[in-house]
Amino acid sequence: DGGITQSPKYLFRKEGQNVTLSCEQNLNHDAMYWYRQDPGQGLRLIYYSQIVNDFQKGDIAEGYSVSREKKESFPLTVTSAQKNPTAFYLCASSIDYRRGGWDTQYFGPGTRLTVL
Amino acid sequence: KNEVEQSPQNLTAQEGEFITINCSYSVGISALHWLQQHPGGGIVSLFMLSSGKKKHGRLIATINIQEKHSSLHITASHPRDSAVYICAVSGDSNYQLIWGAGTKLIIKP
Repeated sequence: DGGITQSPKYLFRKEGQNVTLSCEQNLNHDAMYWYRQDPGQGLRLIYYSQIVNDFQKGDIAEGYSVSREKKESFPLTVTSAQKNPTAFYLCASSIDYRRGGWDTQYFGPGTRLTVL
Repeated sequence: KNEVEQSPQNLTAQEGEFITINCSYSVGISALHWLQQHPGGGIVSLFMLSSGKKKHGRLIATINIQEKHSSLHITASHPRDSAVYICAVSGDSNYQLIWGAGTKLIIKP
């Protein structure tokens, strides 16, 4: 079955620790995205990648880092510099970013990160 | 003011009722998306449209480009329709999606 997997589903971390969220897709999509969702707010884009070995900052990239070494994988690291990291994190992929508004995004199940 | 506004924020209805969720936007767009987020958190795309109307099962999406407004309708609503419905638009000069805050729908049996 094709799809996007994120792990873990729930993650707890102590303040001051870095943590990496996994995102894998087997849809053969070129583009991948990381979003953050907070209660009562729309999704906010953290980083996106149009192709392997390339990624761009989104609206709220501070305190986060990513890599795109393989087409299938786009891990997100939440660093200790992120001041308010407790949130729900969603990974998505799409066929080709250049399709613009017509490029449907497919989402993973999400990871809920709680900083203790 | 947000570029994408949804109304209502919360909606509770009885099973069988006709549901309407609204989305207004203030930017030029190339496409508008409706998505559904279930309580577990996963998001699925329902519709992508730039004009007119689309229908899938009991769901209907309409868009009025001149008025910068879209509606999502659910006919014969069912408790399994309970979810957060999200509107997002793709600007005509920027590929990134602009997201609404979502409408939380609860359908009571």
